[in-house]
Amino acid sequence: LAKTTQPISMDSYEGQEVNITCSHNNIATNDYITWYQQFPSQGPRFIIQGYKTKVTNEVASLFIPADRKSSTLSLPRVSLSDTAVYYCLVAMNRDDKIIFGKGTRLHILP
Amino acid sequence: EPEVTQTPSHQVTQMGQEVILRCVPISNHLYFYWYRQILGQKVEFLVSFYNNEISEKSEIFDDQFSVERPDGSNFTLKIRSTKLEDSAMYFCASSGAGVNEKLFFGSGTQLSVL
Repeated sequence: LAKTTQPISMDSYEGQEVNITCSHNNIATNDYITWYQQFPSQGPRFIIQGYKTKVTNEVASLFIPADRKSSTLSLPRVSLSDTAVYYCLVAMNRDDKIIFGKGTRLHILP
Repeated sequence: EPEVTQTPSHQVTQMGQEVILRCVPISNHLYFYWYRQILGQKVEFLVSFYNNEISEKSEIFDDQFSVERPDGSNFTLKIRSTKLEDSAMYFCASSGAGVNEKLFFGSGTQLSVL
């Protein structure tokens, strides 16, 4: 399984765009990149998943360069309620486990 | 949005006792998982389950742990003889087609072993 590295914590302000980058140097050909969000005392919640280039949904965008050795989660115009831990995960499409790293603790300030 | 349901939300038990944590995955999902999270630490994989058998398990999932899907709707985690270090939040998750589809997590069971 590919190991991921992401910043331990980040601070930003309401209304700003936040970009969290994750490195996964040994990503394999069949691996997908998935981001989850976790609030205190709640289970992780799926945000977005991608394989290459750019993916956008109603809450975030995911940018993946051609070499796929990193990915960037972009949260547009964050609010206080976006304060959470964000996990970047890499998994094979036919594997049966997802290993969570330590995640990035995002703190949004007013 | 469909939900994974876990019961109870809190469980307090004495060391050495058996506990069963219950989960109702989303009805048409095929893959099931248990994770745990000790307070302030990362989410740890325990086990995955597909087609009525364990697919993968971590080193945490030793002989004291077992999983079962007894009736086609519930998915349970049993800890036979709890230890103090088993105190954690336990999350159940399910997905429709394995890890390249999103995992839906329940809200967790907070297990406290005294």
